[in-house]
Amino acid sequence: GQNIDQPTEMTATEGAIVQINCTYQTSGFNGLFWYQQHAGEAPTFLSYNVLDGLEEKGRFSSFLSRSKGYSYLLLKELQMKDSASYLCAVGDSNYQLIWGAGTKLIIKP
Amino acid sequence: GAVVSQHPSWVICKSGTSVKIECRSLDFQATTMFWYRQFPKQSLMLMATSNEGSKATYEQGVEKDKFLINHASLTLSTLTVTSAHPEDSSFYICSARDPGQGEEFNSPLHFGNGTRLTVT
Repeated sequence: GQNIDQPTEMTATEGAIVQINCTYQTSGFNGLFWYQQHAGEAPTFLSYNVLDGLEEKGRFSSFLSRSKGYSYLLLKELQMKDSASYLCAVGDSNYQLIWGAGTKLIIKP
Repeated sequence: GAVVSQHPSWVICKSGTSVKIECRSLDFQATTMFWYRQFPKQSLMLMATSNEGSKATYEQGVEKDKFLINHASLTLSTLTVTSAHPEDSSFYICSARDPGQGEEFNSPLHFGNGTRLTVT
């Protein structure tokens, strides 16, 4: 079967760095997406990785290792507004998006 | 950037009534739109893929006669929850890809703001 695993919840301190991991097992791979979702709102796109390595975009970076079926989202200089759920999604061989359950990130002052 | 508008943002209806949710792509044309449902503290679940000018494709376990989808134009898809029941209460979200942002497999989904449906 197809499966995406992420931690359910993480807590970090304002100004610190946090890494949210995502492991996947899918039938085929056509890229991995990270989305941010604030409570009661729709998801917003953060990043896309299809090749191995690190993609940096401001305070957010995303890493992919296809051989390990592994990705992480790295958030630097955490701000209170970064408190949200972070969703990992993988495109399978049919270009269907398989969604993880999301990681709820709690930022403390 | 690409914008997807969804209406209404929230709705409360009585059991047995029907509710229509609209999803519009405001600055791009979308031949395909996706309808998701999300229960509290759970991930997004794809309900169906809406195709302009043809029948929607429903995911396994989703009743097509209960969740009617119409994709009448390249910028509008509607989801009608018929004979709603309390167990249909959920957060419904539509999304679409902007064809101008790359190939289908690597362009991000743009989401509407969602509709919170409460059935009493």
